[in-house]
Amino acid sequence: DAGVIQSPRHEVTEMGQEVTLRCKPISGHNSLFWYRQTMMRGLELLIYFNNNVPIDDSGMPEDRFSAKMPNASFSTLKIQPSEPRDSAVYFCASSLRGAGYGYTFGSGTRLTVV
Amino acid sequence: GQQVMQIPQYQHVQEGEDFTTYCNSSTTLSNIQWYKQRPGGHPVFLIQLVKSGEVKKQKRLTFQFGEAKKNSSLHITATQTTDVGTYFCAEQHGSGNTGKLIFGQGTTLQVKP
Repeated sequence: DAGVIQSPRHEVTEMGQEVTLRCKPISGHNSLFWYRQTMMRGLELLIYFNNNVPIDDSGMPEDRFSAKMPNASFSTLKIQPSEPRDSAVYFCASSLRGAGYGYTFGSGTRLTVV
Repeated sequence: GQQVMQIPQYQHVQEGEDFTTYCNSSTTLSNIQWYKQRPGGHPVFLIQLVKSGEVKKQKRLTFQFGEAKKNSSLHITATQTTDVGTYFCAEQHGSGNTGKLIFGQGTTLQVKP
């Protein structure tokens, strides 16, 4: 298994532009999570899905952020318009229902908004 | 929101010394997970503790869950340079393995050769 796959690995964009981050979870995993990591705030959960349905989006900073999971093998996190304070590493993780397996994280997307 | 507190934030040790990081919660935890993140990398799952007083070992790593299920620790015996990274504990909200995982702030370990 290739693990959780995120793209792009790095993204540099100008303030005001739309940014779309992509994630392919591990096949068979039924939960998907989007996290954001910064030095100041650590690892923050933005939103998570169970069986492609958004369960909790209370961590989404504001309306500029949106996430979708159209099917079990693909999810997107969109920021529109982007701002410099959105600069961070964004991680996608997936998990399988059941105890003891933990969450598998992707390699992350490092976003820089200038 | 509620979050487990981790201490210390940073730890510098000489190679060969032991290292311990602690995770504390004001409420009873259903389970706790531990992750390691190497510099520039992503969090990697180490272990999950579920039972009160549980102790699990992985080579030089020992994980404990408190009797009251309000605290946990990770102890590394005889650190090596490969142990460098940030260690996170994370508490799970919700049932099973599909509730949301909330991470502590992490303990960053530096090992001097």
